[in-house]
Amino acid sequence: EPEVTQTPSHQVTQMGQEVILRCVPISNHLYFYWYRQILGQKVEFLVSFYNNEISEKSEIFDDQFSVERPDGSNFTLKIRSTKLEDSAMYFCASQDSNQPQHFGDGTRLSIL
Amino acid sequence: QKEVEQNSGPLSVPEGAIASLNCTYSDRGSQSFFWYRQYSGKSPELIMFIYSNGDKEDGRFTAQLNKASQYVSLLIRDSQPSDSATYLCAVNDLYQGGKLIFGQGTELSVKP
Repeated sequence: EPEVTQTPSHQVTQMGQEVILRCVPISNHLYFYWYRQILGQKVEFLVSFYNNEISEKSEIFDDQFSVERPDGSNFTLKIRSTKLEDSAMYFCASQDSNQPQHFGDGTRLSIL
Repeated sequence: QKEVEQNSGPLSVPEGAIASLNCTYSDRGSQSFFWYRQYSGKSPELIMFIYSNGDKEDGRFTAQLNKASQYVSLLIRDSQPSDSATYLCAVNDLYQGGKLIFGQGTELSVKP
């Protein structure tokens, strides 16, 4: 069965550094999402992406965050200047029309 | 602010019993409803989804939706120790392309 693939599985970064989280959505899916989950807390929506542009973003998704689909297969989340509170699991999800969202295994981001 | 509420548990049931997990949501315009299972440190895994009022059954799982009461539930029959996990209720105000709003999850423990 097709899967959403995320890399790396664990990223450790110094505060203030830039980090890029990578996702390969399921082929032919149209909608792409990033969510995050701080340890012990809810899964929170960050951003959705459709037709090569952001369709919705949350209050969390401020100017430090950006997303890109550079080559038609990868979907990336960039955090420009990381903060301690950015430490979380980051999940990518993709969706086909009228089907539920499927999640990748996540990237654990640890900011030191 | 759209909210999804779940009892955080833990809910403890003996092996072979029925586990009943409940969820309420605040947005009356919500269109699609999902149950995800999340093992500790892992990503959400889709268990069931339901769009219409009533019951939907898939193997040992039954999802129940009551839009008038803004209530969705998940029943797990013949519970197994491997069902022990956190169950996340998620709600979407669209059938496709919209963000998922998650509850905080209910921790289920199935005792042998």
